[in-house]
Amino acid sequence: AQSVTQPDIHITVSEGASLELRCNYSYGATPYLFWYVQSPGQGLQLLLKYFSGDTLVQGIKGFEAEFKRSQSSFNLRKPSVHWSDAAEYFCAASGSARQLTFGSGTQLTVLP
Amino acid sequence: DTAVSQTPKYLVTQMGNDKSIKCEQNLGHDTMYWYKQDSKKFLKIMFSYNNKELIINETVPNRFSPKSPDKAHLNLHINSLELGDSAVYFCASSQGPVGPGDGYTFGSGTRLTVV
Repeated sequence: AQSVTQPDIHITVSEGASLELRCNYSYGATPYLFWYVQSPGQGLQLLLKYFSGDTLVQGIKGFEAEFKRSQSSFNLRKPSVHWSDAAEYFCAASGSARQLTFGSGTQLTVLP
Repeated sequence: DTAVSQTPKYLVTQMGNDKSIKCEQNLGHDTMYWYKQDSKKFLKIMFSYNNKELIINETVPNRFSPKSPDKAHLNLHINSLELGDSAVYFCASSQGPVGPGDGYTFGSGTRLTVV
């Protein structure tokens, strides 16, 4: 079955520190891959996406993600976290089923 | 202009009532979706419509009925509300049905509380 796994339920980092959020997928072929962010009480905002080509993709708000086919991973990174980055982050994938499947989310807390 | 707008933002109602949530998108997208986010933040697709035609209908109680009068609107009607229906419901749209294209654009959600 197609699935997306985010192993970390909650991550805490200090402001200014680097961040990496993990995402693994299980699909028959390489799916389309996405990262979304959800601030409290808000909808989901697309941070970045990967379809094909360059395995390092740049997104909004200084985020980037790296696709690694050998590890079935699409990890999200940011070199220096800001307090405003505190939110819930969702990895998602879409394959031939024509629907977006989400991971369970990672809650990011940023310490001052 | 809000790209995907949902109304109402909050909905508190008693068990057994019937309620509707409305969604409209002004992006010219062909496909619209309803997702349910439970208390653990897990997002699960419920329905998908492409140009007013139902293309995804996940296993949800038949008390939930989507209606798409045109491709810019997708409403969700819920009959005989139960406590377990309490959740945040998100509407979304995308360019087309074959893969999400540029990804989905989400509305800000409707928080439904059944008491």
